[in-house]
Amino acid sequence: DSGVTQTPKHLITATGQRVTLRCSPRSGDLSVYWYQQSLDQGLQFLIHYYNGEERAKGNILERFSAQQFPDLHSELNLSSLELGDSALYFCASSVGTGEAANEKLFFGSGTQLSVL
Amino acid sequence: AQSVAQPEDQVNVAEGNPLTVKCTYSVSGNPYLFWYVQYPNRGLQFLLKYITGDNLVKGSYGFEAEFNKSQTSFHLKKPSALVSDSALYFCAVRDIYGGSQGNLIFGKGTKLSVKP
Repeated sequence: DSGVTQTPKHLITATGQRVTLRCSPRSGDLSVYWYQQSLDQGLQFLIHYYNGEERAKGNILERFSAQQFPDLHSELNLSSLELGDSALYFCASSVGTGEAANEKLFFGSGTQLSVL
Repeated sequence: AQSVAQPEDQVNVAEGNPLTVKCTYSVSGNPYLFWYVQYPNRGLQFLLKYITGDNLVKGSYGFEAEFNKSQTSFHLKKPSALVSDSALYFCAVRDIYGGSQGNLIFGKGTKLSVKP
């Protein structure tokens, strides 16, 4: 068990809908990262928050947004969902900003999103 | 831009035989390299990392990786494969020099299948 908690584990919804994925980092970790894993694109970095502030953006669509709350949990909001958004969404956490070379990321078990 | 490549989608090995999962990297400065493993329905788990120092890095579950600067490679190895090693393996590089503030950039993954 990595200590990173993601809910829900599975989510089935329809095109055009909006969903929220939740992540609780390991105790003491200040950084939260979101990744999307799909068969064709592999593991794609979406966004990184550190202590409530957005740190870096990757291949995140404008229909997607995220935030990190004062208690350090994070939510990823996906709106106007399309079939192609079906994927496994991972959250990871780390203790620092991520700039330390040897800093490890700890991953949650993911949320499997199916858009029908 | 920093990147890693895993040239094999799948590697098949007989139990007890040595295994190698290949990874090559492209970075503009010193590479900080990682291997993660993903078991079915689980998040990614850290195996090992290379930051500096000895080119042979030892990690979890009997795995090791060899850093080769001249060949820009970081291959994952294990002397004797187990059926329980069957999983998806990801090579990653820390994006220290790019725009994502230390995020990990992952390869597409290699599926390792160990047969009894």
